[in-house]
Parts: sequence; C-alpha cells; structure tokens
Amino acid sequence: SQQGEEDPQALSIQEGENATMNCSYKTSINNLQWYRQNSGRGLVHLILIRSNEREKHSGRLRVTLDTSKKSSSLLITASRAADTASYFCATGLIQGAQKLVFGQGTRLTINP
Amino acid sequence: NAGVMQNPRHLVRRRGQEARLRCSPMKGHSHVYWYRQLPEEGLKFMVYLQKENIIDESGMPKERFSAEFPKEGPSILRIQQVVRGDSAAYFCASSPGTTGNQPQHFGDGTRLSIL
Repeated sequence: SQQGEEDPQALSIQEGENATMNCSYKTSINNLQWYRQNSGRGLVHLILIRSNEREKHSGRLRVTLDTSKKSSSLLITASRAADTASYFCATGLIQGAQKLVFGQGTRLTINP
Repeated sequence: NAGVMQNPRHLVRRRGQEARLRCSPMKGHSHVYWYRQLPEEGLKFMVYLQKENIIDESGMPKERFSAEFPKEGPSILRIQQVVRGDSAAYFCASSPGTTGNQPQHFGDGTRLSIL
C-alpha cells in the first residue's frame, strides 16, 4: 500500500478560491515534501517541512504537518488558472531519507 | 543554469530491444535518483546513485534493469529485453548533498513506449 495517500484525488474550484489538499502517511518520517507536476512535465518542488516543524509558508502556499496523526495539508490561497496541475506529497523516511515515497497525487483544476 | 536534463524525451522500442535513458544532474549535484511513473499514479523510487556508486537499488527490478553514474558523463538507466509493462515515464532527480532534508530537482522525464 502507499506510504503517502492524497485526498481528494481530484479537486475542481473557481479561480480566486482556496484549495486544500491532504496527505496521510504510515511510517515515521524525516521530512515531508510537496511537489507540483504539470501535464507532461517533471515535478517541481514546492515546500519541504521537517518532522519537527508544524507549519511552513511560501508565498500563497501553506503547509502543515501533524506527526501525531501522520498527516499533512497543502493550502493554496487565491488560486489562479496557472495552479492547475497535479500535486504530490512525498515522504523522506528516517531510514533512507534520500528515497522519496510518493502518494498518488491530487489533480487540481482551477476554473477561470 | 540548466536544470536536470533527461534524454531522450520520448523513446519507442519494440519488445526485446534495449532502452537507454540518460540523465545529467544539475551543476554541482552529485546525487542522482531514478523514479518510474505509470499513468495516473505517483512516482515509484527505483535507484539512488552517487558518482560511481549505487547507494540504494531497492526499488529496481532484479532482472533486466541496471543503472550507473560514471565519474564522467550522465547517469544511465538501462532496460534490457523490454516488455510492454516497461512502458512508463522515467524521471531522474538530483540533489547536492548527503542529508535527507533537501529537495530533489527533477527532469522532465523520458516517456518510454514499448510496441
């Protein structure tokens, strides 16, 4: 089974609204990372949050991490059409932190 | 400053042929990772290499697949005697150091199609 599982699998919202995506994982982690993937392209790193951190911001992005619940959320505020993409969480495990374990992703569509 | 470069972007092979996928990491990065992505799925780790060393190949099939990262030149993922199930997008990523708390920088992938 997946280490990281995103919820929802697909999300469609209007431009200007906020988008929230969730990620759950099973084993202890060193860090959790969020990536964006546009269709036909590689992954672009968004935010890395370490296991001893609870919240991190970058521009319109806000990531939270709750290690007691083994879950994380990615919030994109004031969404734009250009935010349309698939979003993946990836966990860096304590053993072998260099090996990222990805979830199946959330496909986000921003409607103009 | 070029990012991670992968080539070719698209590769078509017939069953039984060999596929060679190349990856040049970002300048200054000495750690390379290969992942495979099936349609509508997340990426699955295959192998982690440093120059001239395979560090972790736990995600790579034992047969037909091999990877190298020579002292000079790009990292190569080699698939021998390809089968239809090898059809996927193969992504390479790189990072500069040894600590796990660093993001990985991805190339745009090689899309492998097996006829």
